Amino acid sequence: NAGVTQTPKFQVLKTGQSMTLQCAQDMNHNSMYWYRQDPGMGLRLIYYSASEGTTDKGEVPNGYNVSRLNKREFSLRLESAAPSQTSVYFCASQTWQDGELFFGEGSRLTVL
Amino acid sequence: AQSVTQLDSHVSVSEGTPVLLRCNYSSSYSPSLFWYVQHPNKGLQLLLKYTSAATLVKGINGFEAEFKKSETSFHLTKPSAHMSDAAEYFCVPNQAGTALIFGKGTTLSVSS
Repeated sequence: NAGVTQTPKFQVLKTGQSMTLQCAQDMNHNSMYWYRQDPGMGLRLIYYSASEGTTDKGEVPNGYNVSRLNKREFSLRLESAAPSQTSVYFCASQTWQDGELFFGEGSRLTVL
Repeated sequence: AQSVTQLDSHVSVSEGTPVLLRCNYSSSYSPSLFWYVQHPNKGLQLLLKYTSAATLVKGINGFEAEFKKSETSFHLTKPSAHMSDAAEYFCVPNQAGTALIFGKGTTLSVSS
């Protein structure tokens, strides 16, 4: 059982480049999340999707777009990367029964 | 809306001594609460969860937490710290229909 799979695990970009972080879950969960983690800042919510076809902004959505492609997949896109977006990004999916989150292993992004 | 306060940003203990990580919640009703753990350079893992069943909740790796409505607290404890407990810990409230918001967490250091 793979759980939540994120790709890529590591990426280096130059300022202004674009990229998409992919996330897929195989647990048939409705809700999916994208967080970023920076030193001393904990996890901050970028976007979440309560169900297929819906997305909502979180605490720090600026500079990002998301696509809930289907129930399994939730991608995060940086259209024009900035050094401030250097971070570790986590995708998660959520059970409907009690709200528990299941996390991917993270994607470390560096923007030069 | 629910919120939590983790009262300590950093806790240091010696191996073999008790661990106490404090979490207070603010809610107009009994919440659902989680403790997550993140080891260095790893993803997040659920330690334990309170979902209005038993007030004393046992989790993985010998951790437990007690939900105390009178004190609006859900403190995480462990009788004897191990070096492998050194990690970041997050107390997270869950409210049905809303996204999970993490705070800055508590860093636990364990010295030999």
